[in-house]
Amino acid sequence: QVQLVQSGPEVKKSGASVKVSCKASGYTFGSYGINWMRQAPGQGLEWVGCFNPYTGETKYAQKVHGRVTMTTDTSTNTAYMELRSLRSDDTAVYYCALELYIREAWFEPWGQGTLVTVSA
Amino acid sequence: QSVLTQPPSASGTPGQRVTMSCSGSRSNIETNNVYWYQHVPGTAPKLLIYRSNQRPSGVPDRFSGSKSGTSASLAISELRSEDEGEYYCTSWDDDLSDPVFGGGTKLTVL
Repeated sequence: QVQLVQSGPEVKKSGASVKVSCKASGYTFGSYGINWMRQAPGQGLEWVGCFNPYTGETKYAQKVHGRVTMTTDTSTNTAYMELRSLRSDDTAVYYCALELYIREAWFEPWGQGTLVTVSA
Repeated sequence: QSVLTQPPSASGTPGQRVTMSCSGSRSNIETNNVYWYQHVPGTAPKLLIYRSNQRPSGVPDRFSGSKSGTSASLAISELRSEDEGEYYCTSWDDDLSDPVFGGGTKLTVL
């Protein structure tokens, strides 16, 4: 079955960078876009951005624009999200998810989540 | 604040029916499909409803979605303790050209 497995928790200092991975299996990598969402403590889910492996196009939320880069490695069927200049409000659980249709909000399945903690 | 508006909490007793709302605008809910996700803390969010009122295979028919104008709602009948969690509505927004989320509704089964 289609599965997304994310990398483990990260603890970073403010100003540092973090790179979270999302390894896909069970489908033809590149058939679907990969979106990233996050949930900060006590907050709701927030869309962070997306990467279309087929076109190479990316789209990022305003809140992280200029600090985030989403890429994929087709040799390992893995998607990556790198967030730079980390701030305390970047502390969150980050999720990757497949985007089943363009211009919809149809995300399925999701990865198990990666906790990123940013300390002062 | 979230583009889509959801009440922060809802509750019910086992066996009851609970509904939760999701309010948006012409650029999202009125012109696009609505999706609902169930999120139990510590687990991956799970798709409950797609294309406003369709259930993926494996989702019980106790869960139903509807949409009217700029609002959508999720109903859960025959409430069970395992239904506790957070419920999020999402939709595509034509003005932003991004998917937008509601702030989530935390469901408590009393």
